Amino acid sequence: GAGVSQSPSNKVTEKGKDVELRCDPISGHTALYWYRQSLGQGLEFLIYFQGNSAPDKSGLPSDRFSAERTGGSVSTLTIQRTQQEDSAVYLCASSLNRGLHSLHFGNGTRLTVT
Amino acid sequence: AQKVTQAQTEISVVEKEDVTLDCVYETRDTTYYLFWYKQPPSGELVFLIRRNSFDEQNEISGRYSWNFQKSTSSFNFTITASQVVDSAVYFCALSEAYRDDKIIFGKGTRLHILP
Repeated sequence: GAGVSQSPSNKVTEKGKDVELRCDPISGHTALYWYRQSLGQGLEFLIYFQGNSAPDKSGLPSDRFSAERTGGSVSTLTIQRTQQEDSAVYLCASSLNRGLHSLHFGNGTRLTVT
Repeated sequence: AQKVTQAQTEISVVEKEDVTLDCVYETRDTTYYLFWYKQPPSGELVFLIRRNSFDEQNEISGRYSWNFQKSTSSFNFTITASQVVDSAVYFCALSEAYRDDKIIFGKGTRLHILP
């Protein structure tokens, strides 16, 4: 596709359930980033991938959060045993190569944990 | 460690006024990149500019201009003759290019342009 695609666009889940958020980056972009945007909190870095490897996982808030990227393309962010504080917009971005290039953002997944 | 501070949480100005959004950064690296992004009400973040640490020349693009000063670790963004369509949240960001390429964002400044 022409841009970064994220699905679902909205997700409502019950506390304690697991959720998977998907990101399909721009074709050919080797770098992929996940951020979380909570109300009034700016963009919180979660994790980034260079190809299939994740050099920096330091931003993941807890061990309930994990992410993978296969084939150097699609990435999945998984949140296990969701909590209400996980409610936020999860943004994915891709870049042609590492952080030197501008990020292209998707429209995000709005996650609501009830 | 990387850090980006946008001290202005929210700014309101009347249309046609000039407005400057402040950004102060912290880094231990001598090579780094600075960015500004715009997030309009529609929600999708849009890249505005990238500047590397070796280029302190100010940049102008239409009504937008950026003032990079290493001496004060600042990368401020000015909109001249503001328009209602400039209303958005603006984020400043920093990447330490030769470390982990993690791009860190400030908390953003919400700009309201009043008609």
